[in-house]
Amino acid sequence: QQQVKQSPQSLIVQKGGISIINCAYENTAFDYFPWYQQFPGKGPALLIAIRPDVSEKKEGRFTISFNKSAKQFSLHIMDSQPGDSATYFCAAREETSGSRLTFGEGTQLTVNP
Amino acid sequence: EPEVTQTPSHQVTQMGQEVILRCVPISNHLYFYWYRQILGQKVEFLVSFYNNEISEKSEIFDDQFSVERPDGSNFTLKIRSTKLEDSAMYFCASSRTVFNEQFFGPGTRLTVL
Repeated sequence: QQQVKQSPQSLIVQKGGISIINCAYENTAFDYFPWYQQFPGKGPALLIAIRPDVSEKKEGRFTISFNKSAKQFSLHIMDSQPGDSATYFCAAREETSGSRLTFGEGTQLTVNP
Repeated sequence: EPEVTQTPSHQVTQMGQEVILRCVPISNHLYFYWYRQILGQKVEFLVSFYNNEISEKSEIFDDQFSVERPDGSNFTLKIRSTKLEDSAMYFCASSRTVFNEQFFGPGTRLTVL
């Protein structure tokens, strides 16, 4: 019940295209959903996060779409650039009961020039 | 920009040996975490630490593991008797409050032979 499922495992997109990564969760007590970006040799870095009181959050080229009834959320990267090539992790947290982040399996994104 | 630092970047040890992984969290942060990532798998929560005591731990964090804040700046993870399956990347993270973003360090790659 604590799991977060992420897909796809890997994604190849052409420069300028849209990258879409999906996550699903089961624990309805999760109330904070961040996305992390990780470059080789570095730790995960927070990219964008959403709480379930909104259905969408946009920051620049990055958008989170959130569907509470389906227990799914997704990351959309518009106008994908080669510099976006990295591993992306979705995560979830039950803020009222603790601080642990539960991560998805990760998606390796490659943006071809 | 302040960042979480970790030492060493790579630690090689023999099975059964004790290892200590070190982290320097961001200076005004009060919450500290350890996560691990076995090669090719998801990032997994180990433990959170606040006010000099463990606030939450996962099923992975058994009696072989301990954490300590020996002084005002360092935060350490000790593995008492390493096993082959402890080989992983270990990430330290810190946050200002339990609700704020967790900032991750670059990780320590632990290899147990």
